[in-house]
Amino acid sequence: ETGVTQSPTHLIKTRGQQVTLRCSSQSGHNTVSWYQQALGQGPQFIFQYYREEENGRGNFPPRFSGLQFPNYSSELNVNALELDDSALYLCASSPGHQGGNTIYFGEGSWLTVV
Amino acid sequence: GQNIDQPTEMTATEGAIVQINCTYQTSGFNGLFWYQQHAGEAPTFLSYNVLDGLEEKGRFSSFLSRSKGYSYLLLKELQMKDSASYLCAVRDLSGYSTLTFGKGTMLLVSP
Repeated sequence: ETGVTQSPTHLIKTRGQQVTLRCSSQSGHNTVSWYQQALGQGPQFIFQYYREEENGRGNFPPRFSGLQFPNYSSELNVNALELDDSALYLCASSPGHQGGNTIYFGEGSWLTVV
Repeated sequence: GQNIDQPTEMTATEGAIVQINCTYQTSGFNGLFWYQQHAGEAPTFLSYNVLDGLEEKGRFSSFLSRSKGYSYLLLKELQMKDSASYLCAVRDLSGYSTLTFGKGTMLLVSP
């Protein structure tokens, strides 16, 4: 148990639709990052939020957007879904300082785009 | 940018020892992580190295050489449940929890 929870666990969407994925970080963790993991690949960094501000972004188009709330929970929104967006979406939380090893992942949300 | 390289697959026998290597190139280094990921599940934290040397935690150990851009994960007394993908990830200086992952090493443990 990492204390990081994600919802929904599985969902199926149609190409062109929009999806919102949710993450509750571990208590005391004010930094949340989102990753996309395609089948057979390592996770790829999408973006990171620290105290409700985006402070880092990977090589993903603007249709991938996010929010972080005052309680440090977070959302990942993907617009205009494409078939290649089918993947496991992982949320990771940490206490927000650069040192240390406390980066924990949630169980992930499996997204299938048809 | 960063580049992480690790073998795609490895096989080993129950009770044996296996070493999974990881090499990396990064513009700024702030720690190396190893995660275990079973099929269909999220990555589980195994180890963290930020200084050179060996970190031991039960059956698992991890080694880091920053000058060589090299790490390995050592698994002793292999069990069937150790069959999983092992992910090497490097954190740079750009963010608090921004990790760059390798593609993972699929380890198959046979009886």
